[in-house]
Amino acid sequence: NAGVTQTPKFRVLKTGQSMTLLCAQDMNHEYMYWYRQDPGMGLRLIHYSVGEGTTAKGEVPDGYNVSRLKKQNFLLGLESAAPSQTSVYFCASSTWTNPNYGYTFGSGTRLTVV
Amino acid sequence: AQTVTQSQPEMSVQEAETVTLSCTYDTSENNYYLFWYKQPPSRQMILVIRQEAYKQQNATENRFSVNFQKAAKSFSLKISDSQLGDTAMYFCAFIPYNNNDMRFGAGTRLTVKP
Repeated sequence: NAGVTQTPKFRVLKTGQSMTLLCAQDMNHEYMYWYRQDPGMGLRLIHYSVGEGTTAKGEVPDGYNVSRLKKQNFLLGLESAAPSQTSVYFCASSTWTNPNYGYTFGSGTRLTVV
Repeated sequence: AQTVTQSQPEMSVQEAETVTLSCTYDTSENNYYLFWYKQPPSRQMILVIRQEAYKQQNATENRFSVNFQKAAKSFSLKISDSQLGDTAMYFCAFIPYNNNDMRFGAGTRLTVKP
């Protein structure tokens, strides 16, 4: 059982370039999330999805877009990368039907924008 | 807006001793979950312990226990018999029931010294 898998694990982009981060989960979870982690700020929610075909904004959505065409996948896109988007990105998934509620996280993607 | 505060950016403890990490949160909700996550150098976010607000009994998981004070909005983590493998960043997190925005504190970096 792989849980939550993120690809790639590392990436360096030039300012203005675009890229897509892929998150895949095999636990049949309804909810999926994208967070960014910055030093001294913990994790902050970028976007989330409560089901296939639905997405919503989180705390820091500007500069990012997401799509959830399949229940198991949640994509995070950067259309025009900026140095302020240098961060570690985490995907997570959850289900409210599990009495032991909690998020399952991927291993993160370290993105550097130069 | 819900906020989570971890007032100790860094802490250290001798191997085999006990350490307590502090967390406070601000919310008007009555029903919610609280979590402690561990992030070792591998970057993986690992769930340490979970507490449901309606449960008065403090959660315990082996060497990890919490002191949950709902009226004071305090949720501290106690690690007993500290081990070198406990060295990590620890994040306190909060989410109301039926919500999709888990809020994290800024983290406490714990070092266990031999």
